[in-house]
Amino acid sequence: GQQVMQIPQYQHVQEGEDFTTYCNSSTTLSNIQWYKQRPGGHPVFLIQLVKSGEVKKQKRLTFQFGEAKKNSSLHITATQTTDVGTYFCAGPSGGTSYGKLTFGQGTILTVHP
Amino acid sequence: ETGVTQTPRHLVMGMTNKKSLKCEQHLGHNAMYWYKQSAKKPLELMFVYNFKEQTENNSVPSRFSPECPNSSHLFLHLHTLQPEDSALYLCASSQLTGTGEKLFFGSGTQLSVL
Repeated sequence: GQQVMQIPQYQHVQEGEDFTTYCNSSTTLSNIQWYKQRPGGHPVFLIQLVKSGEVKKQKRLTFQFGEAKKNSSLHITATQTTDVGTYFCAGPSGGTSYGKLTFGQGTILTVHP
Repeated sequence: ETGVTQTPRHLVMGMTNKKSLKCEQHLGHNAMYWYKQSAKKPLELMFVYNFKEQTENNSVPSRFSPECPNSSHLFLHLHTLQPEDSALYLCASSQLTGTGEKLFFGSGTQLSVL
């Protein structure tokens, strides 16, 4: 079945450093979504990418969707302590997009002040 | 507040107990989901309901029984669980659009099976 892999599993940074997490799917995706889960919280939708090679920005966060629509990345510039949490990518599975998402295992980001 | 409310927030139960998790969404969505989140594992899809009809059962053991009486409410009935079922159970909802539905998650129920 479809697999979505994320690396790294853990990332520790000093506040102000940049951070990047990478997501790779075993199959071509119609779209990819990114979620953030704060410690003790629940996943919160950040963004969806649909087009091949698409790049979207949200303040210090930059999201990219690969040309082959099988990989994606999330880059955070100048991390802050509020960026702490687990970042998940997710892609549709089962040939439809009715919420049947396959999630990556997530990258746990720790930011040291 | 995400518009998806789950109760209880925490639940401790023995293996012979029967309990139910409740989820209610106030977003007017037409699809609801149960996900399981275990330590060091990806989020696992358990059940999907589209317009109150179950469209996905992801090989979930029968000791988990979902119920969706209407498009706003979703239950997960639990009986004779095992300790390995201890996890965070997340409910989510979305609006079906066919172009990639974003999920709105509830705060989850942290379940411990003793």
